[in-house]
Amino acid sequence: DIQMTQSPSTLSASVGDRVTITCRASQSISSWLAWYQQKPGKAPKLLIYKASSLESGVPSRFSGSGSGTEFTLTISSLQPDDFATYYCQQYSSYPETFGQGTKVEIK
Amino acid sequence: EVQLLESGGGLVQPGGSLRLSCAASGFTFSSYAMRWVRQAPGKGLEWVSAISGSGDSTYYADSVKGRFTISRDNSKNTLYLQMNSLRAEDTAVYYCAKAIGRITIFGVVIMEGYGMDVWGQGTTVTVSS
Repeated sequence: DIQMTQSPSTLSASVGDRVTITCRASQSISSWLAWYQQKPGKAPKLLIYKASSLESGVPSRFSGSGSGTEFTLTISSLQPDDFATYYCQQYSSYPETFGQGTKVEIK
Repeated sequence: EVQLLESGGGLVQPGGSLRLSCAASGFTFSSYAMRWVRQAPGKGLEWVSAISGSGDSTYYADSVKGRFTISRDNSKNTLYLQMNSLRAEDTAVYYCAKAIGRITIFGVVIMEGYGMDVWGQGTTVTVSS
Protein backbone atom coordinates (compact mmCIF):
# COMPACT_ATOMS: atom_id res chain seq x y z
CA ASP A 1 0.00 0.00 0.00
CA ILE A 2 1.13 3.57 -0.65
CA GLN A 3 1.73 5.54 2.54
CA MET A 4 0.98 9.26 2.58
CA THR A 5 2.77 11.43 5.13
CA GLN A 6 1.75 15.02 5.79
CA SER A 7 3.73 17.69 7.58
CA PRO A 8 3.29 19.45 9.82
CA SER A 9 0.54 17.72 11.82
CA THR A 10 -0.48 21.05 13.32
CA LEU A 11 0.19 24.54 12.07
CA SER A 12 -0.47 27.80 13.94
CA ALA A 13 -0.92 30.81 11.70
CA SER A 14 -2.51 34.24 11.55
CA VAL A 15 -5.00 35.71 9.12
CA GLY A 16 -3.10 36.92 6.07
CA ASP A 17 -0.23 34.43 6.47
CA ARG A 18 1.02 32.30 3.61
CA VAL A 19 0.63 28.66 4.60
CA THR A 20 2.23 25.58 3.04
CA ILE A 21 1.39 21.96 3.82
CA THR A 22 3.53 19.11 2.48
CA CYS A 23 2.43 15.61 1.53
CA ARG A 24 4.89 12.84 0.68
CA ALA A 25 4.06 9.51 -0.94
CA SER A 26 6.01 6.33 -0.20
CA GLN A 27 6.29 5.72 -3.96
CA SER A 28 5.60 7.69 -7.10
CA ILE A 29 1.94 8.54 -7.68
CA SER A 30 2.51 10.77 -10.71
CA SER A 31 -0.02 13.60 -10.23
CA TRP A 32 -2.82 11.43 -8.88
CA LEU A 33 -3.35 13.43 -5.70
CA ALA A 34 -6.22 15.36 -4.18
CA TRP A 35 -6.48 17.78 -1.26
CA TYR A 36 -9.51 18.10 1.01
CA GLN A 37 -10.56 20.55 3.71
CA GLN A 38 -12.62 19.37 6.67
CA LYS A 39 -14.24 21.39 9.42
CA PRO A 40 -15.45 19.84 12.70
CA GLY A 41 -18.65 17.84 12.30
CA LYS A 42 -18.72 18.33 8.54
CA ALA A 43 -17.94 16.19 5.51
CA PRO A 44 -14.65 16.81 3.71
CA LYS A 45 -14.63 19.28 0.83
CA LEU A 46 -12.56 18.80 -2.33
CA LEU A 47 -10.09 21.62 -2.94
CA ILE A 48 -7.55 20.33 -5.47
CA TYR A 49 -7.37 17.27 -7.73
CA LYS A 50 -4.70 15.97 -10.07
CA ALA A 51 -2.17 17.68 -7.79
CA SER A 52 -2.78 21.20 -9.09
CA SER A 53 -6.28 21.49 -10.58
CA LEU A 54 -8.51 23.79 -8.55
CA GLU A 55 -12.02 22.46 -7.94
CA SER A 56 -14.77 24.73 -9.22
CA GLY A 57 -15.88 27.27 -6.64
CA VAL A 58 -12.74 26.99 -4.51
CA PRO A 59 -11.03 30.36 -3.89
CA SER A 60 -7.91 31.03 -5.93
CA ARG A 61 -5.84 31.55 -2.77
CA PHE A 62 -5.63 27.74 -2.67
CA SER A 63 -3.09 26.12 -4.95
CA GLY A 64 -1.44 22.74 -5.28
CA SER A 65 1.83 21.64 -6.80
CA GLY A 66 4.13 18.66 -7.11
CA SER A 67 4.39 15.32 -8.80
CA GLY A 68 5.96 11.96 -8.14
CA THR A 69 6.35 11.71 -4.37
CA GLU A 70 6.28 15.28 -3.06
CA PHE A 71 3.33 17.63 -3.09
CA THR A 72 2.34 20.91 -1.49
CA LEU A 73 -0.89 22.73 -0.72
CA THR A 74 -0.46 26.49 -0.39
CA ILE A 75 -2.89 29.05 0.96
CA SER A 76 -1.58 32.38 -0.25
CA SER A 77 -3.33 34.55 2.34
CA LEU A 78 -5.05 32.70 5.18
CA GLN A 79 -8.65 33.74 5.79
CA PRO A 80 -10.80 33.14 8.91
CA ASP A 81 -12.80 30.50 7.01
CA ASP A 82 -9.62 28.50 6.29
CA PHE A 83 -9.01 27.30 9.84
CA ALA A 84 -9.68 23.59 9.40
CA THR A 85 -7.97 20.24 8.91
CA TYR A 86 -6.48 19.42 5.52
CA TYR A 87 -5.93 15.95 4.06
CA CYS A 88 -4.07 14.73 1.00
CA GLN A 89 -5.23 11.55 -0.75
CA GLN A 90 -3.61 9.42 -3.43
CA TYR A 91 -5.73 7.69 -6.03
CA SER A 92 -2.89 6.25 -8.10
CA SER A 93 -3.58 2.72 -6.96
CA TYR A 94 -5.86 0.75 -4.70
CA PRO A 95 -6.21 0.88 -1.82
CA GLU A 96 -6.47 4.64 -2.01
CA THR A 97 -4.91 6.27 1.04
CA PHE A 98 -5.10 9.55 2.96
CA GLY A 99 -2.45 11.47 4.81
CA GLN A 100 -2.96 11.78 8.56
CA GLY A 101 -4.15 15.38 8.28
CA THR A 102 -2.82 18.85 9.06
CA LYS A 103 -4.78 21.01 11.48
CA VAL A 104 -4.48 24.73 10.77
CA GLU A 105 -5.07 26.66 13.99
CA ILE A 106 -5.37 30.31 14.85
CA LYS A 107 -2.11 31.74 16.22
CA GLU B 1 -28.49 19.80 -7.12
CA VAL B 2 -26.08 16.91 -6.72
CA GLN B 3 -26.73 15.16 -3.42
CA LEU B 4 -25.77 12.07 -1.48
CA LEU B 5 -27.73 10.94 1.56
CA GLU B 6 -26.48 8.12 3.77
CA SER B 7 -28.62 6.04 6.08
CA GLY B 8 -28.50 2.80 8.01
CA GLY B 9 -26.05 3.64 10.76
CA GLY B 10 -26.65 2.77 14.39
CA LEU B 11 -25.51 0.82 17.41
CA VAL B 12 -24.55 -2.82 16.83
CA GLN B 13 -22.86 -5.44 18.99
CA PRO B 14 -19.42 -6.81 18.11
CA GLY B 15 -19.77 -9.57 15.56
CA GLY B 16 -23.00 -8.10 14.25
CA SER B 17 -23.97 -6.80 10.82
CA LEU B 18 -25.24 -3.56 9.37
CA ARG B 19 -26.06 -2.33 5.87
CA LEU B 20 -25.46 1.28 4.96
CA SER B 21 -27.22 2.95 2.05
CA CYS B 22 -26.37 6.08 0.09
CA ALA B 23 -29.11 7.60 -2.06
CA ALA B 24 -27.82 9.69 -4.94
CA SER B 25 -29.60 12.43 -6.86
CA GLY B 26 -28.83 15.21 -9.32
CA PHE B 27 -26.40 13.29 -11.55
CA THR B 28 -26.26 10.20 -13.76
CA PHE B 29 -25.43 7.75 -11.01
CA SER B 30 -24.36 4.85 -13.24
CA SER B 31 -21.68 6.99 -14.91
CA TYR B 32 -19.62 7.51 -11.78
CA ALA B 33 -17.52 5.35 -9.53
CA MET B 34 -18.38 5.67 -5.85
CA ARG B 35 -16.50 5.32 -2.58
CA TRP B 36 -17.01 4.80 1.13
CA VAL B 37 -14.73 6.68 3.51
CA ARG B 38 -14.87 6.52 7.30
CA GLN B 39 -13.63 8.59 10.20
CA ALA B 40 -13.25 7.16 13.69
CA PRO B 41 -13.93 9.56 16.58
CA GLY B 42 -11.14 12.13 16.78
CA LYS B 43 -9.18 10.47 13.98
CA GLY B 44 -8.38 11.13 10.34
CA LEU B 45 -10.05 9.95 7.16
CA GLU B 46 -9.77 6.29 6.15
CA TRP B 47 -10.65 5.10 2.65
CA VAL B 48 -12.81 1.97 2.95
CA SER B 49 -14.01 0.79 -0.45
CA ALA B 50 -14.69 1.76 -4.06
CA ILE B 51 -16.92 0.49 -6.85
CA SER B 52 -16.97 1.22 -10.56
CA GLY B 53 -19.95 2.85 -12.26
CA SER B 54 -21.19 -0.45 -13.62
CA GLY B 55 -20.56 -2.26 -10.36
CA ASP B 56 -18.28 -4.78 -12.05
CA SER B 57 -15.15 -3.75 -10.17
CA THR B 58 -14.81 -3.41 -6.41
CA TYR B 59 -11.89 -2.56 -4.14
CA TYR B 60 -11.36 -2.70 -0.38
CA ALA B 61 -9.01 -1.53 2.34
CA ASP B 62 -7.15 -4.38 3.99
CA SER B 63 -8.85 -3.54 7.29
CA VAL B 64 -12.30 -4.48 5.92
CA LYS B 65 -11.52 -7.01 3.18
CA GLY B 66 -13.55 -10.18 3.64
CA ARG B 67 -15.97 -8.50 6.06
CA PHE B 68 -17.45 -5.61 4.07
CA THR B 69 -19.11 -5.72 0.65
CA ILE B 70 -19.74 -2.69 -1.52
CA SER B 71 -22.49 -2.81 -4.12
CA ARG B 72 -24.79 -0.53 -6.06
CA ASP B 73 -28.22 -0.60 -7.66
CA ASN B 74 -28.09 1.78 -10.60
CA SER B 75 -31.84 1.42 -11.18
CA LYS B 76 -32.40 2.86 -7.70
CA ASN B 77 -29.47 5.33 -7.73
CA THR B 78 -28.27 3.78 -4.49
CA LEU B 79 -24.90 2.68 -3.14
CA TYR B 80 -24.59 0.11 -0.35
CA LEU B 81 -22.06 -1.09 2.17
CA GLN B 82 -22.81 -4.43 3.81
CA MET B 83 -20.75 -4.70 6.99
CA ASN B 84 -20.39 -8.10 8.68
CA SER B 85 -18.34 -9.33 11.64
CA LEU B 86 -18.20 -5.81 12.99
CA ARG B 87 -15.50 -4.85 15.47
CA ALA B 88 -15.11 -2.01 17.93
CA GLU B 89 -12.52 -0.47 15.62
CA ASP B 90 -15.16 -0.12 12.89
CA THR B 91 -16.86 2.56 15.00
CA ALA B 92 -16.84 5.67 12.84
CA VAL B 93 -18.79 8.13 10.76
CA TYR B 94 -19.18 6.59 7.32
CA TYR B 95 -19.32 8.86 4.28
CA CYS B 96 -20.23 7.97 0.73
CA ALA B 97 -18.58 10.02 -1.98
CA LYS B 98 -18.84 10.41 -5.73
CA ALA B 99 -15.75 10.16 -7.92
CA ILE B 100 -14.95 13.24 -10.00
CA GLY B 101 -14.89 11.21 -13.18
CA ARG B 102 -12.97 8.58 -15.10
CA ILE B 103 -9.88 8.90 -17.21
CA THR B 104 -9.67 7.34 -20.65
CA ILE B 105 -6.92 7.36 -23.26
CA PHE B 106 -7.88 6.48 -26.83
CA GLY B 107 -11.12 5.05 -25.46
CA VAL B 108 -9.41 2.80 -22.93
CA VAL B 109 -10.32 3.38 -19.30
CA ILE B 110 -7.07 3.84 -17.37
CA MET B 111 -8.71 5.07 -14.18
CA GLU B 112 -12.29 4.15 -13.37
CA GLY B 113 -12.72 6.88 -10.78
CA TYR B 114 -10.54 9.59 -9.36
CA GLY B 115 -10.91 12.01 -6.47
CA MET B 116 -14.13 12.66 -4.60
CA ASP B 117 -16.06 15.82 -5.40
CA VAL B 118 -19.40 15.22 -3.70
CA TRP B 119 -19.80 13.81 -0.19
CA GLY B 120 -22.79 12.82 1.90
CA GLN B 121 -23.33 14.14 5.42
CA GLY B 122 -22.24 10.84 6.96
CA THR B 123 -23.92 8.16 9.05
CA THR B 124 -22.60 7.01 12.43
CA VAL B 125 -21.83 3.39 13.17
CA THR B 126 -21.11 2.41 16.77
CA VAL B 127 -19.93 -1.10 17.55
CA SER B 128 -20.25 -1.78 21.24
CA SER B 129 -21.71 -4.29 23.67
